[in-house]
Amino acid sequence: EPEVTQTPSHQVTQMGQEVILRCVPISNHLYFYWYRQILGQKVEFLVSFYNNEISEKSEIFDDQFSVERPDGSNFTLKIRSTKLEDSAMYFCASSTGIGEKLFFGSGTQLSVL
Amino acid sequence: QKEVEQNSGPLSVPEGAIASLNCTYSDRGSQSFFWYRQYSGKSPELIMFIYSNGDKEDGRFTAQLNKASQYVSLLIRDSQPSDSATYLCAVKVPGGYQKVTFGTGTKLQVIP
Repeated sequence: EPEVTQTPSHQVTQMGQEVILRCVPISNHLYFYWYRQILGQKVEFLVSFYNNEISEKSEIFDDQFSVERPDGSNFTLKIRSTKLEDSAMYFCASSTGIGEKLFFGSGTQLSVL
Repeated sequence: QKEVEQNSGPLSVPEGAIASLNCTYSDRGSQSFFWYRQYSGKSPELIMFIYSNGDKEDGRFTAQLNKASQYVSLLIRDSQPSDSATYLCAVKVPGGYQKVTFGTGTKLQVIP
């Protein structure tokens, strides 16, 4: 069964450093997403991406965040200057269309020290 | 007002019983409704989706939607210890937006 893959599974970084989280969405999906979940809190929407551009973003997704689809398979989330409060599990997801089921990757646990 | 509300639980049910999980949402125009299961430290896994008023059954799971009351529920029949997890209600906001908004989840404990 096709799945969304994410790397790395864990990332530890120092405050102020840049991190790149990587995802390979399901190949025939058209919509890609990043969500995050701070420990003990709900899953929060960050950004959606369609047709090689951001289609929607939340207030969390400020200038320190960016997304890119550098080739036909990878989808990345970059955090330019990490803060302590960026520590969370980051989930990549993909779907075939708007309002369709989201398929989540296994997540990257980001720890900012 | 929270967009998607769930009782955080824990909801404890004995093995073999029916577990009933509830969710309310604030935006009357919401169109698509999902239930995800999340084991501790793992990613959400879709178990049910429903778009129309009424009931939708899939195996031991039944999703119920009442748009007039802005209420969606999940029933799990013959609950098993492996069903112990946090159940997330998720709603697609109306309009051309793509985001799906999640509730905080209800923790279910099935007691053997």
